[in-house]
Amino acid sequence: DAKTTQPTSMDCAEGRAANLPCNHSTISGNEYVYWYRQIHSQGPQYIIHGLKNNETNEMASLIITEDRKSSTLILPHATLRDTAVYYCIVIRGGADGLTFGKGTHLIIQP
Amino acid sequence: DSGVTQTPKHLITATGQRVTLRCSPRSGDLSVYWYQQSLDQGLQFLIHYYNGEERAKGNILERFSAQQFPDLHSELNLSSLELGDSALYFCASSVAPAGKHNEQFFGPGTRLTVL
Repeated sequence: DAKTTQPTSMDCAEGRAANLPCNHSTISGNEYVYWYRQIHSQGPQYIIHGLKNNETNEMASLIITEDRKSSTLILPHATLRDTAVYYCIVIRGGADGLTFGKGTHLIIQP
Repeated sequence: DSGVTQTPKHLITATGQRVTLRCSPRSGDLSVYWYQQSLDQGLQFLIHYYNGEERAKGNILERFSAQQFPDLHSELNLSSLELGDSALYFCASSVAPAGKHNEQFFGPGTRLTVL
């Protein structure tokens, strides 16, 4: 599975859009980009995933660059409850367990 | 609430002992995954079961074993416990067959403390 690089931490003001980048320059054609988050010591929570097209659901939007070497998770109106560690995971369709890196600690400021 | 349940929430035991952690997947999910989260190792995949059969192993120690029962609940058995086994243990479930999708739904975890 491709390796990902994320900033260690980010701040965002409450009510603003939070944009979390992820670099996955070695991604292969059959690998998906997944985002999960973990709110302090709770079980990780699935957010969104995509292959090459941009995706949107009720939680977030995922923008994947045309060359697929990087992506951005967008939380459109961040709230204090969005403070969490966000994990970008690249995984091929036939894989099994998720490989979590260190993720980005997003802190939403009031 | 993900729909995945884990028991117990907390477990305190002594070195050398054996414990069993239990997981009930979401209704309809056939895949169960186990993960360990410790302070120094982060979140690590341990093992995956699909419809009662072992499908993949990650960084699971030989002292650890798991199984999935006909009703699809799963148990993770940890034996000859060491201080370093103290961690959060998460179970996750997914609806798809192994590898088709990785939208996994995680339980609240079991916090194991080995004294």
